[in-house]
This record gives sequence, C-alpha cells and structure tokens, in this order.
Amino acid sequence: IAGITQAPTSQILAAGRRMTLRCTQDMRHNAMYWYRQDLGLGLRLIHYSNTAGTTGKGEVPDGYSVSRANTDDFPLTLASAVPSQTSVYFCASSSQGGSNQPQHFGDGTRLSIL
Amino acid sequence: AQKITQTQPGMFVQEKEAVTLDCTYDTSDPSYGLFWYKQPSSGEMIFLIYQGSYDQQNATEGRYSLNFQKARKSANLVISASQLGDSAMYFCAMREGWGDSSYKLIFGSGTRLLVRP
Repeated sequence: IAGITQAPTSQILAAGRRMTLRCTQDMRHNAMYWYRQDLGLGLRLIHYSNTAGTTGKGEVPDGYSVSRANTDDFPLTLASAVPSQTSVYFCASSSQGGSNQPQHFGDGTRLSIL
Repeated sequence: AQKITQTQPGMFVQEKEAVTLDCTYDTSDPSYGLFWYKQPSSGEMIFLIYQGSYDQQNATEGRYSLNFQKARKSANLVISASQLGDSAMYFCAMREGWGDSSYKLIFGSGTRLLVRP
C-alpha cells in the first residue's frame, strides 16, 4: 500500500541520548516535512525538504537535524534529547505538481524523553 | 502573530445535524491555499478539503464543504449530516504563495468535535 512509513511507532528515551526517527515514502513525492504535535499547539513544522539534496528550517528547528540523501527517505535526528522534545512526531510528503496538492502524513511517532 | 486561528477548542453536535468549524487566517500574500485535516483518536491525519485563494466557488467534498469568505479571511468547514465517526480533532491549515519553496503548511490549534447519538 502506497504511503508514508514512520519508525518507530513509539519510543521512550533517556535525556542526552541520540535518536533518529525514520520516514520513508513510496509516492515519489518531491517534498517532505517533519512536524511535532503538542497538546493545544497543533502541528508545528520542524524541518522540510523541497527535493532530494536540499533541506530547510521550519518554525521549531532547534535541537533537530535532517538529511535528504534520496527522494524516499527523510530521517529526523535528535542529537541530544531533552524532555521538552517529548511529543508526537509526524512525517509528511507532498507532490509539487500543483498548488492544491495536500500533504500526506505518516501515522506518527510518539516520543517520550525522561 | 498567529496565522491560523481556530477559536473553538471543543464542540458538540447531534448526530445527523450540520456543524460549522471556524477558521480565520492572516496573510498579506494574494496567493494561498487553505486545507482542512481530520485527526481521529487513532492519531492519523486525514486530508478533507482544499480551497485556493483564487477559486471562485466554495469547495465541496461529499458531506464536507468550505464556507470561504475572502474579505473576512475565514474558511469555515461545514459538515452536513454528522455521523458518529466524525468525532475527531479538526485542523485548519494554510499554505502561502506559489512556487517550489512555498509548500509548507501552517496549522491552527484544532477543534475537537464530539458527535452525540
């Protein structure tokens, strides 16, 4: 089934540890995004990539890094996790074929930093 | 300044009745798009409907329609004939501008809808 796969589904992590959230899409979408969702704040953009080889900062990029080596994969790395990064993380992708193209979301990764 | 405002944290509606979820936005760009997403308790984000700033008619998708009032900068979602399965969180989102660098979405804080039997 075509779509976006995120891994892991959930994770409990000790503060200070390094963690990479994986995201893979098979829709050949050029653009990919990482959001975090916190109660009462909706979804906030962390980083994005318009095409393989390029990345950009979103609204809340501090403490996170991304890479886009190919079209399908867009991993998000927390170099040294802190409790404020406890959140639900969503990866999304979209076609840039038209301005009305919606973003398609993965099922999310629930991350708890202790 | 908040770009997308959803003023209703929670709403109730009786099954089979219509409900309107409010969304106002703020942009100085003449070219933008507005999206609505549904997030059930299972957590996934489901795209519902899209309205472009230059669209002449209000968007409709099945039981979903968008009441787009450009002068008021509002894009309210109307759900007709509510069903129990409509109980979920609903997010309004905006994309500003066109072009390769302008596909990012800004989300509102959401409205939780509960449909009563």
